[in-house]
Amino acid sequence: GAVVSQHPSWVICKSGTSVKIECRSLDFQATTMFWYRQFPKQSLMLMATSNEGSKATYEQGVEKDKFLINHASLTLSTLTVTSAHPEDSSFYICSAREQPTNTEAFFGQGTRLTVV
Amino acid sequence: GNSVTQMEGPVTLSEEAFLTINCTYTATGYPSLFWYVQYPGEGLQLLLKATKADDKGSNKGFEATYRKETTSFHLEKGSVQVSDSAVYFCALSDQGGSEKLVFGKGMKLTVNP
Repeated sequence: GAVVSQHPSWVICKSGTSVKIECRSLDFQATTMFWYRQFPKQSLMLMATSNEGSKATYEQGVEKDKFLINHASLTLSTLTVTSAHPEDSSFYICSAREQPTNTEAFFGQGTRLTVV
Repeated sequence: GNSVTQMEGPVTLSEEAFLTINCTYTATGYPSLFWYVQYPGEGLQLLLKATKADDKGSNKGFEATYRKETTSFHLEKGSVQVSDSAVYFCALSDQGGSEKLVFGKGMKLTVNP
């Protein structure tokens, strides 16, 4: 299957700083990328959907000014957690899909963010 | 809204044991159902899927049948191997493909030799 690389795998940052997580499709062009978040003992929850070259669509309850998503190229999407706080500590996972609709999405390995 | 409930574990089995991971869902309409697996240090991988009632998805010895009457999609394998140690996620999508997936909490399986 296609490969999606997420970087970094884990990061620790101080409260108030910003953290950028990258999601790259290595062997295909991703027209659509998804960002998920998983709190301890909870389900993976979709945060936002981004299409290359357009603004991301955020799910209800997700602050778009806090979680900045950029999908400027067909192989790279970034999630920036701005002014991070301890409650933002979570596991963030991206997935990428090649065609606009109805095809399998491939997942990155996830990023463990800890805000201290 | 849509939701998925699955066994949470963790579960530890001996090699060649029978595995069942229960998954039930709540959804309007006719969602597609998925099982994803995450091996240590890797991303989630699609294990199998079913898109309509009574469909059976199968892969790598795993099977799951889409049961609309019981809103279930239980994962089974007759004889697990050490290499099956991973976290298993049940998920649904009401948009046909793997768009806007709704996941269960995941279940960690450890298989001992």
